[in-house]
Amino acid sequence: DAKTTQPPSMDCAEGRAANLPCNHSTISGNEYVYWYRQIHSQGPQYIIHGLKNNETNEMASLIITEDRKSSTLILPHATLRDTAVYYCIVRVAGTSYGKLTFGQGTILTVHP
Amino acid sequence: KAGVTQTPRYLIKTRGQQVTLSCSPISGHRSVSWYQQTPGQGLQFLFEYFSETQRNKGNFPGRFSGRQFSNSRSEMNVSTLELGDSALYLCASSLLGTSNQPQHFGDGTRLSIL
Repeated sequence: DAKTTQPPSMDCAEGRAANLPCNHSTISGNEYVYWYRQIHSQGPQYIIHGLKNNETNEMASLIITEDRKSSTLILPHATLRDTAVYYCIVRVAGTSYGKLTFGQGTILTVHP
Repeated sequence: KAGVTQTPRYLIKTRGQQVTLSCSPISGHRSVSWYQQTPGQGLQFLFEYFSETQRNKGNFPGRFSGRQFSNSRSEMNVSTLELGDSALYLCASSLLGTSNQPQHFGDGTRLSIL
């Protein structure tokens, strides 16, 4: 699986945008970028995924650079409930059914 | 639409015993994956089932096994429990398990081995 690199921790003020970076310089052309988050004592929550184009849903926006070597997850108006560990995952295509390879993620702390 | 349901939420066992955990996927989802989460190793993939067949497997010993039923519900079994098996066990489901489809996780079963 393509390796991802994320900062271990980030802070954000409530109401401001949180921009979480992820480096995946070895990504292949058919591999998707996924973002999940995990709040303490809960299972990981799917946020968003994309292949080449930028994506937006009700939770967040995903910006993928043109060379696909990095991406940024944007939470437009962070709240205290967005405090969590955020995982950037590159999903291998083909026969790697059902497998997500989690790294250490970024601990995002949203402050009042 | 109901999410992924895992039972039980908490379980306490002793070394040498065996345990069975249950997972009910989101309605219509046919792929079920299992993960183990520990503070030291993080989230690690155990195996994936689709149409009652194991299609993918992680690097865990044979003590860890699973199965899937015709209604897509899945169980995982751990035999001869060891202290190191204490972990949060997570189940995730998706429509077909392919890379373009997100997996949705349950809240897990927390297993403690005494």
